[in-house]
Amino acid sequence: SQTIHQWPATLVQPVGSPLSLECTVEGTSNPNLYWYRQAAGRGLQLLFYSVGIGQISSEVPQNLSASRPQDRQFILSSKKLLLSDSGFYLCAWIDYNEQFFGPGTRLTVL
Amino acid sequence: GESVGLHLPTLSVQEGDNSIINCAYSNSASDYFIWYKQESGKGPQFIIDIRSNMDKRQGQRVTVLLNKTVKHLSLQIAATQPGDSAVYFCADPTRKNQGGKLIFGQGTELSVKP
Repeated sequence: SQTIHQWPATLVQPVGSPLSLECTVEGTSNPNLYWYRQAAGRGLQLLFYSVGIGQISSEVPQNLSASRPQDRQFILSSKKLLLSDSGFYLCAWIDYNEQFFGPGTRLTVL
Repeated sequence: GESVGLHLPTLSVQEGDNSIINCAYSNSASDYFIWYKQESGKGPQFIIDIRSNMDKRQGQRVTVLLNKTVKHLSLQIAATQPGDSAVYFCADPTRKNQGGKLIFGQGTELSVKP
């Protein structure tokens, strides 16, 4: 069965520190992968999506970047976190019209 | 550009009453919609979907209605229970030519009063 893993589940980081959030998918190959951010439990904002290894599309200009080093691995990064980067980060996999979400990472930047 | 939006950010209902959550879309080419339920601190979970060749689809205690003329869909929850308290999103996954981007509405927070 298809499963999405995200880690860590929660993270508290100081302003200016780097970030690395990881998402891995099981049970499929060549998935379309997505990173969303959600502030205050509302409004899923699409940050990045990837249709294959090394292929990243950015939806909004921001302090974050994404990479897809392997078929089933999607990483969200930042070199220097801002307070505004706080939020709930969700990784999603879309296979045609089936969508699966990971458990999310709660990031708090202090 | 295309968007998927919701009429109300919050909805409060009495336990046992029916809930109706609305969603508007702007892309006339959209032919498939999904409703998600997101409980606090968790990722969205699929509730029900509907294709444009249907006006209505029913699940367990939930019904989705689609009005293509006015580009509006709604999620109806019958006999709302405390466990239904969550944020509900409608989503339009029909961006096939753009990598299948999943576009979400803003979300409606449903609160169920005992």
